[in-house]
Amino acid sequence: SAVISQKPSRDICQRGTSLTIQCQVDSQVTMMFWYRQQPGQSLTLIATANQGSEATYESGFVIDKFPISRPNLTFSTLTVSNMSPEDSSIYLCSVEDSYRTSGGARQFFGPGTRLTVL
Amino acid sequence: KNEVEQSPQNLTAQEGEFITINCSYSVGISALHWLQQHPGGGIVSLFMLSSGKKKHGRLIATINIQEKHSSLHITASHPRDSAVYICAVVLREYGNKLVFGAGTILRVKS
Repeated sequence: SAVISQKPSRDICQRGTSLTIQCQVDSQVTMMFWYRQQPGQSLTLIATANQGSEATYESGFVIDKFPISRPNLTFSTLTVSNMSPEDSSIYLCSVEDSYRTSGGARQFFGPGTRLTVL
Repeated sequence: KNEVEQSPQNLTAQEGEFITINCSYSVGISALHWLQQHPGGGIVSLFMLSSGKKKHGRLIATINIQEKHSSLHITASHPRDSAVYICAVVLREYGNKLVFGAGTILRVKS
C-alpha cells in the first residue's frame, strides 16, 4: 500500500490569489492523479501527472488554471491559479498500487486539501 | 444519464442492521472500486473488484459483470460506519481512468 500526505490540509484564500497543494507519497509511483470534489459532488479527475512528462488534463481543465509539477516519483504539486469562489473544493491526489492484477490496480488517496475561496 | 449510478443517495440505519448499497454502470469496465469517505474528506479504498465477491471484516462486495452491477454490504452496522460510500469504475478503454458515482451518504444511529 501507499501512504499519501497532502499540504495544506485546508486553507482559506482570497479571490485572485493562487494556492499550491503538495502531495507526497511514501513510495515511488509512476502515475499520480489530481481530483477535485466540489461541495456535494463526487470526484472529478483534473489531470494525470507522470514523472518526466507534461501532465495530461481532462476536458474542462487547463494547464494555465491548474499547473502541475512532478519533479520525481514521490512528489507532485497542483496549483490553483487566479482563484474564484467556484474553485472552493476538496482537492485530492491519488496513486495506483504498484502491484497490478489482471483487473487493474488499487488506488490510494491522500487526505485531501479543503480549499475555501472568499 | 451518468455512467455510474448509485442507490440509495441517502441511507439511515439502526445499529446492527444489514446494509446494502448498489452501483450500476453503463460502460465497459476492467474493475470497480468501493471507497469510503469520512467527513474530513479523506478517502479509503475498501475493495477493488473485477469479478465475484470479496469480504473484509463486516464488509462484503459483489460484482456481476454481465448485469453491470455491484453491491456493497455491511453486516452488523455500527455508528462508526457512518460515511459516504463511493463506487468508482475503471474504464476499460482508458486503462486507469476512474469514473465516480455520486456517493451514498450512510448514517448509522445507535
